[in-house]
Amino acid sequence: QLQLQESGPGLVKPSETLSLTCSVSGGSISSNDHYWGWIRQPPGNGLEWIGSMHYRGSTYYNPSLKGRVTISVDTSKNQFSLKLTSVTAADTAVYYCARGYYDSSGRPKNFDYWGQGALVTVSS
Amino acid sequence: QSVLTQPPSVSAAPGQKVTISCSGSSSNIANNYVSWYQQLPGTAPKLLIYDNNRRLSGIPDRFSGSKSGTSATLGITGLQTGDEADYYCGTWDSSLSAGVFGGGTKLTVL
Repeated sequence: QLQLQESGPGLVKPSETLSLTCSVSGGSISSNDHYWGWIRQPPGNGLEWIGSMHYRGSTYYNPSLKGRVTISVDTSKNQFSLKLTSVTAADTAVYYCARGYYDSSGRPKNFDYWGQGALVTVSS
Repeated sequence: QSVLTQPPSVSAAPGQKVTISCSGSSSNIANNYVSWYQQLPGTAPKLLIYDNNRRLSGIPDRFSGSKSGTSATLGITGLQTGDEADYYCGTWDSSLSAGVFGGGTKLTVL
């Protein structure tokens, strides 16, 4: 059974960089069939797609995050990571990592396995 | 404001049927696969429906998905109190080159 687990600081200061890691167990991150992505959910609000990455390097990001986001994969550790720079209080959210599939055009289309989520608060 | 529009809430009695709509545009729903997720209180979202109308393994056939043009619909029959949750639609937006979710619909089983 595939499992994903987010880890990282729960508190980040404004203007600093949010860094989270997702550890994957029960399956390989070097799967040709899957994308690995991040989704966030501000307290009391809905889901926001952050980005997805295939281990071969194809990456998509939410344009609303305006170049602040980077997703990377470490196949040696079976992990993938999220970095979000210049954070503000608006970036306070539960951050989920997830695995997904892509369509015939190579674009991410869903998320079938999710981590439990990690709350990150941006505050001084 | 979400790219995909869902009703904030729906409700129905146990045993009844409910539908949740998801409205989009030609750049997202009309030309890409739609998925539906269930989020029980305090838990991570769970994929129910993918590729517009395919149930993930283990999902009861009380849950169904459909798509027509720029809209998609999640149907739930034989409502149970355990179905009370937030439901989200999701798809790819070709104009944004990004994934998008609806704002979510809170289902109350009265």
